[in-house]
Amino acid sequence: GAGVSQSPSNKVTEKGKDVELRCDPISGHTALYWYRQSLGQGLEFLIYFQGNSAPDKSGLPSDRFSAERTGGSVSTLTIQRTQQEDSAVYLCASSLEPNLWTVAYEQYFGPGTRLTVT
Amino acid sequence: DQQVKQNSPSLSVQEGRISILNCDYTNSMFDYFLWYKKYPAEGPTFLISISSIKDKNEDGRFTVFLNKSAKHLSLHIVPSQPGDSAVYFCAASGAGGNKLVFGAGTILRVKS
Repeated sequence: GAGVSQSPSNKVTEKGKDVELRCDPISGHTALYWYRQSLGQGLEFLIYFQGNSAPDKSGLPSDRFSAERTGGSVSTLTIQRTQQEDSAVYLCASSLEPNLWTVAYEQYFGPGTRLTVT
Repeated sequence: DQQVKQNSPSLSVQEGRISILNCDYTNSMFDYFLWYKKYPAEGPTFLISISSIKDKNEDGRFTVFLNKSAKHLSLHIVPSQPGDSAVYFCAASGAGGNKLVFGAGTILRVKS
C-alpha cells in the first residue's frame, strides 16, 4: 500500500516568509508525528497528533511553528516568518495507536521536505 | 541534554564481517527502543525494535541487545553487506510509545 507522502520535496524561501508543509499519512494510521533533522543532527520531535485528542506540541521550538490535522488524516505544518535556523529536513511519520496490549508501534516516515531559508 | 546518544559518528566494516552499532540512553522511563536506517534523500525506515521487558530481539541478520542496568543497547548486523551502508538511528520512547527521541546517528560503511 501507499506509504507516507510529503510535499513539497524541496522548498526554498526567503527569510521572513511563511511556509506550509504537507503530510499524507498511511491510511488507517491514527497517530501522526512531525520531526525535523538539522544538518549533522538527529531527528528532533516537533508535534504529535493522536486521534481526536489535543496534540502534543511540546517539541515546537517557537510560536512561529504550528500544525493542524484535518479530518484525522492530512496534516500541515506551518512556519511563520521563517528564519535561517529553520532550514532543515522536516519529516512526517504515522503509526497505529498504542493500546493496552501493545507498548508501541513503529513509526513509518515520509521522504521529508527539505526547507532552505535564504 | 541528549537523552539518547550514539557516540560513534561513523563505522567502517568489511563485507561479511559483523557490524556493531551502539547506543546509550539516560532516561530510565524509556521502555521501547527502535533502530531506523536512513539512505540519503529518503525518510528513515524501521529496522528492528525491542521492548524493555526483553534483552534480545532477532530478525534475520539483525539483532538488538538491550542492557537496562547499563542503559545501553546495540544493533548487530551479521554478515554485513554493502547494501547495509546507511545512517543508523537509535530511538527510544516512554510509556505509550508517543514521540521518539533519536540519537544523532551513526554512518555505517560496508566495504566490499
